Amino acid sequence: DAKTTQPNSMESNEEEPVHLPCNHSTISGTDYIHWYRQLPSQGPEYVIHGLTSNVNNRMASLAIAEDRKSSTLILHRATLRDAAVYYCILRDVGRNYGQNFVFGPGTRLSVLP
Amino acid sequence: GAVVSQHPSRVICKSGTSVKIECRSLDFQATTMFWYRQFPKQSLMLMATSNEGSKATYEQGVEKDKFLINHASLTLSTLTVTSAHPEDSSFYICSATPGGYDEKLFFGSGTQLSVL
Repeated sequence: DAKTTQPNSMESNEEEPVHLPCNHSTISGTDYIHWYRQLPSQGPEYVIHGLTSNVNNRMASLAIAEDRKSSTLILHRATLRDAAVYYCILRDVGRNYGQNFVFGPGTRLSVLP
Repeated sequence: GAVVSQHPSRVICKSGTSVKIECRSLDFQATTMFWYRQFPKQSLMLMATSNEGSKATYEQGVEKDKFLINHASLTLSTLTVTSAHPEDSSFYICSATPGGYDEKLFFGSGTQLSVL
């Protein structure tokens, strides 16, 4: 199974950019890189995903290394509402029964006012 | 955006009873649904994957007879915790995807199960 590693926690000041790293050295050629975040007592919510090229949306940007063994989620201006656990996930397409997503431990982001 | 509705949000039950949790995709057809459980301050643990009209595929270590999953339609999946015990107390989360290689997951808001 392709797995990801992330720092346990990170801290940021409000209105500053945040770079959340993720390592996935065993990624396969067709695995998509997904990012989700989870606020306390809630289900996760989608942030962004990509395959090879960098991606931008209204929430964040995703920078993918050329060898695809790592990626970085970029929050351009952190707000207090961005405080959450961020999960970097790979689609595990090696299974023989459809799609599945396996969560790693994630990074707990704290945003300081 | 796509919405996944999960009910109930919280349930407290006595040991030995069964609890059913519903997961509905409100504005898309979910070819695949996933069930996760999460203990405090831990990550989500995938329990099973279900495809509409077929039997769920359970992850290693998850008891099929304990956690019954039914995905009878493209918009509804249910998880029944049978003969619940205190160690089954956890946060259960469902998610759904419309399918397709590039599709993202949409999550329910979760169900906090407390077994007394």
